[in-house]
Amino acid sequence: AQSVAQPEDQVNVAEGNPLTVKCTYSVSGNPYLFWYVQYPNRGLQFLLKYITGDNLVKGSYGFEAEFNKSQTSFHLKKPSALVSDSALYFCAVRPQNRDDKIIFGKGTRLHILP
Amino acid sequence: DARVTQTPRHKVTEMGQEVTMRCQPILGHNTVFWYRQTMMQGLELLAYFRNRAPLDDSGMPKDRFSAEMPDATLATLKIQPSEPRDSAVYFCASGSRGSEQFFGPGTRLTVL
Repeated sequence: AQSVAQPEDQVNVAEGNPLTVKCTYSVSGNPYLFWYVQYPNRGLQFLLKYITGDNLVKGSYGFEAEFNKSQTSFHLKKPSALVSDSALYFCAVRPQNRDDKIIFGKGTRLHILP
Repeated sequence: DARVTQTPRHKVTEMGQEVTMRCQPILGHNTVFWYRQTMMQGLELLAYFRNRAPLDDSGMPKDRFSAEMPDATLATLKIQPSEPRDSAVYFCASGSRGSEQFFGPGTRLTVL
């Protein structure tokens, strides 16, 4: 079955430290990969996507993600965390040759500690 | 700044009542999605449309939920009759073929 896994329900990082939010996927073919962020009482907001090309993708708010085909991973990273980065983060995948549906992970709650 | 709009933002109703949620997708987007988010189940896809045609509603409880797109600027999600277990935040999202999805702010539904 096609799926997305975010192995950590919660990640705590001190402000100023680098952060990583993990994501692995299991789909056939070459997927499109996405990261979304959700702030309290808001809808999901698109951060970045990987379709093809450079494995390191840069997105909004200083976030980036690295596509690793051999490990089927698409971890989200930021060199220096801000308190305002505290939110719920979703990894998502769209199998390349499928319809428009996107499979979302369960989400990882990121806490940046001042 | 184009964005998806949803109305109402909040709805409190009693069990057995009909609930209608509305969504205006971003102009030019041809796919529309309805999701439900709860603490227990996370984000669930209920239904989606392409060019106003329903393509998949397998995530919806068929007996009480219905989704339609009367025109390209309006998508609706109806629950009749509503039940307390329907309490959740309902999101609409729109997109173009192959692109990311853009989410609305959601409708927070509470069924008493």
